[in-house]
Amino acid sequence: EVTLVESGGGLVKPGESLRLSCTGSGFTFSQYNINWVRQAPGKGLEWVSSISRRGTYTFYADSVKTRFSVSRDDARNSAHLQMDGLRVEDTAIYYCARDPEQCLDRICYSSFDYWGQGAEVTVSS
Amino acid sequence: AIQMTQSPSSLSASVGDTVTITCRASQGMRTDLGWYQQKPGTAPRLLIYAASTLQSGVPSRFSGSGAVTQFTLTITNLQPEDFGTYYCLQDYDYPWTFGQGTKVEVK
Repeated sequence: EVTLVESGGGLVKPGESLRLSCTGSGFTFSQYNINWVRQAPGKGLEWVSSISRRGTYTFYADSVKTRFSVSRDDARNSAHLQMDGLRVEDTAIYYCARDPEQCLDRICYSSFDYWGQGAEVTVSS
Repeated sequence: AIQMTQSPSSLSASVGDTVTITCRASQGMRTDLGWYQQKPGTAPRLLIYAASTLQSGVPSRFSGSGAVTQFTLTITNLQPEDFGTYYCLQDYDYPWTFGQGTKVEVK
């Protein structure tokens, strides 16, 4: 069974840091791109970051690109989101999702086919 | 960044109805678009990717169409379990962006 489990969430003050982890099982973790998506309370989904297979490429939303850093450790079937300089507006549930990057007619498309249950991050003074 | 404008923001329909949700992109993006369903308190679920490819295990009453800037998710023969909020996501160009969501109520 494919599972993704986020951990590391919690309550922090503005300006502090947190490191989220996403651990996968039931599939070959290294063969998938990993994405982070967040959802503020009562709001819609916001894509946050992506890391490609082997960690070759990383991408970020404009709202986090100077403060967050994504990495992966395929030997431990895990990906991490280092969040520094946290702001009140970063309060959200953070999901990780795997992306098999499926190719059709020689064009490759992303799709978040499995998601974790989410980790809650609260930034408050 | 590509802006995704999703409409309507909410709708209410009866069992057996056909429902259509639209996403419009601020610039052309081939067919690099996915549709996700989210029920309260749970993670989103992939329905459609590459604009029209049904994800394995998703009922065939869900279908997607469109290209470039206009995309549609259609649910035919709406079922009680289809309630939730639906989102489009463009994966054509970084930063990837979601639509604002469409909340579907099944009467």
